[in-house]
Amino acid sequence: GEDVEQSLFLSVREGDSSVINCTYTDSSSTYLYWYKQEPGAGLQLLTYIFSNMDMKQDQRLTVLLNKKDKHLSLRIADTQTGDSAIYFCDRGGTALIFGKGTTLSVSS
Amino acid sequence: IAGITQAPTSQILAAGRRMTLRCTQDMRHNAMYWYRQDLGLGLRLIHYSNTAGTTGKGEVPDGYSVSRANTDDFPLTLASAVPSQTSVYFCASSRLSGRDNEQFFGPGTRLTVL
Repeated sequence: GEDVEQSLFLSVREGDSSVINCTYTDSSSTYLYWYKQEPGAGLQLLTYIFSNMDMKQDQRLTVLLNKKDKHLSLRIADTQTGDSAIYFCDRGGTALIFGKGTTLSVSS
Repeated sequence: IAGITQAPTSQILAAGRRMTLRCTQDMRHNAMYWYRQDLGLGLRLIHYSNTAGTTGKGEVPDGYSVSRANTDDFPLTLASAVPSQTSVYFCASSRLSGRDNEQFFGPGTRLTVL
């Protein structure tokens, strides 16, 4: 299978929580990342998690890491229309494998 | 302003023409990368360079070449463009140390080959 897999689309209503999931085949990297790509722009780092952590919270963002199952998730609380974007999971390291990205659509 | 720039922003090119996409970073990052982004296929690595003077092939290198004469610049050349190279091209850079391999992306070049 793919090195990094994400579901392609997620649609939520404004104010709801969004959960974007990512599974990967292997990672020996110290950090795993989530990038955000807004329309017409390049990717920007959104958040990251140290590989020996299970959870990291940063304002509305919560990252969960399950190393045993090779599963990374990004939860966005109180999702806003400005959160509409493509979100990419990066398992880090030098392999430079991004998933296909999850397009988050937020309706008001 | 520190960052990574790409030129041109967009280009329409006739098939068979030669084209060089430019990428410059002023963060003194060791590594630089070229990706193409296509609908439904995500980001795919074309070529990379871990340090000035060295380059390597990524997932989709055919039809593209790169050079890394210095730390700051990493041009991508299409020797003879074909319509399947129509895409959005992103250049990125990273320190390859410290916070592992966080990448910084340029704004992209939208290339159309007719």
